[in-house]
Amino acid sequence: ETGVTQSPTHLIKTRGQQVTLRCSSQSGHNTVSWYQQALGQGPQFIFQYYREEENGRGNFPPRFSGLQFPNYSSELNVNALELDDSALYLCASSLAGMNEQFFGPGTRLTVL
Amino acid sequence: AQSVTQLDSQVPVFEEAPVELRCNYSSSVSVYLFWYVQYPNQGLQLLLKYLSGSTLVKGINGFEAEFNKSQTSFHLRKPSVHISDTAEYFCAVSLNPGYQKVTFGTGTKLQVIP
Repeated sequence: ETGVTQSPTHLIKTRGQQVTLRCSSQSGHNTVSWYQQALGQGPQFIFQYYREEENGRGNFPPRFSGLQFPNYSSELNVNALELDDSALYLCASSLAGMNEQFFGPGTRLTVL
Repeated sequence: AQSVTQLDSQVPVFEEAPVELRCNYSSSVSVYLFWYVQYPNQGLQLLLKYLSGSTLVKGINGFEAEFNKSQTSFHLRKPSVHISDTAEYFCAVSLNPGYQKVTFGTGTKLQVIP
């Protein structure tokens, strides 16, 4: 059974650029959630996708957007990057209706 | 809206000593509670969860937690820590397991001293 994987591991961008982060969910999981973890903070919920539709969103601006594909993998897109977007971005997969989420190792994004 | 407070940002403890990491939550409705562990440069791993039933919950790696509704607390305990327990621990709350938005606390860094 393959766990949750994320790519890339690290990424450096400059202000104003756009970035795409990728997540492959654990086998059989149909729900993907994205979290932002700033340095020294707990993860903050960005949004969740279920059956290729956004199924809940946290307090993040529209320049944070996502996709879920038929194979349940997912992308997080961030436009017009700001310095404060520097963080560890975590993806978590789960089976709809179940309460345990499985986290990937994260993508460390640095915005200069 | 729900919130989670972890009162201690860092907890140093000697190896083989007991430890308690404190967590308090706030919610106007029933909640589900979780503890996650994060090792350096890794994602989060679920230690244990409380959904319903017995208020004493046992998890992996010898950890346990007790749900106290009257005190709105969910403190994590281990009777004897090991060096390998050095990590950051996050308490988290969810209102509905079907809609799985999870609200995390700010974390407690457990430093086990040899």
